Amino acid sequence: QKEVEQNSGPLSVPEGAIASLNCTYSDRGSQSFFWYRQYSGKSPELIMFIYSNGDKEDGRFTAQLNKASQYVSLLIRDSQPSDSATYLCAVSRPNDYKLSFGAGTTVTVRA
Amino acid sequence: DAGVIQSPRHEVTEMGQEVTLRCKPISGHDYLFWYRQTMMRGLELLIYFNNNVPIDDSGMPEDRFSAKMPNASFSTLKIQPSEPRDSAVYFCASSFADSYFSGNTIYFGEGSWLTVV
Repeated sequence: QKEVEQNSGPLSVPEGAIASLNCTYSDRGSQSFFWYRQYSGKSPELIMFIYSNGDKEDGRFTAQLNKASQYVSLLIRDSQPSDSATYLCAVSRPNDYKLSFGAGTTVTVRA
Repeated sequence: DAGVIQSPRHEVTEMGQEVTLRCKPISGHDYLFWYRQTMMRGLELLIYFNNNVPIDDSGMPEDRFSAKMPNASFSTLKIQPSEPRDSAVYFCASSFADSYFSGNTIYFGEGSWLTVV
């Protein structure tokens, strides 16, 4: 079982719609959870992180965490063509500063 | 800040040659990571350092790979001898663990695109 699993996609959504990305993790000791965005040919860049159960909102992005279900998601509201990218989920354990990444979900926003 | 700086950006080399990738982390960051990304395996952690000391090198694929961090502002990843299966994007990243709850945000360099023919 992979440590972090994501649906590879591609996920295609129309402009203005909500894109929903899911991520599950195997290590119950995981404490912090991150969403990175990676445009083709570029390096990953952090969108947001979450460490408490519930929702965390930042602009058009909402991260949701459910530790009991070992599940973290990312919602992108009012999707724009510029949101077309691969979204990487990453997790870390307490006092362990390395991140383990999922394979990523490719999102395409149709204009 | 200039961000994480990597060199070379692109390298094409012949099988059997030595490859050295270089990284300058963000000033003040005390963690440095080397990741490798391929279509097949995704983003894999090779090794990371804390205050210039290697902490976890369990991701280094084999003895052909070695990494050093002689000081806080410079690290190298060396492959000797290189093989075609080493072709990948190698990312260097750094972070500053100021607070557990601030999230150990890792900042990536632009990557070194390696092709071994």
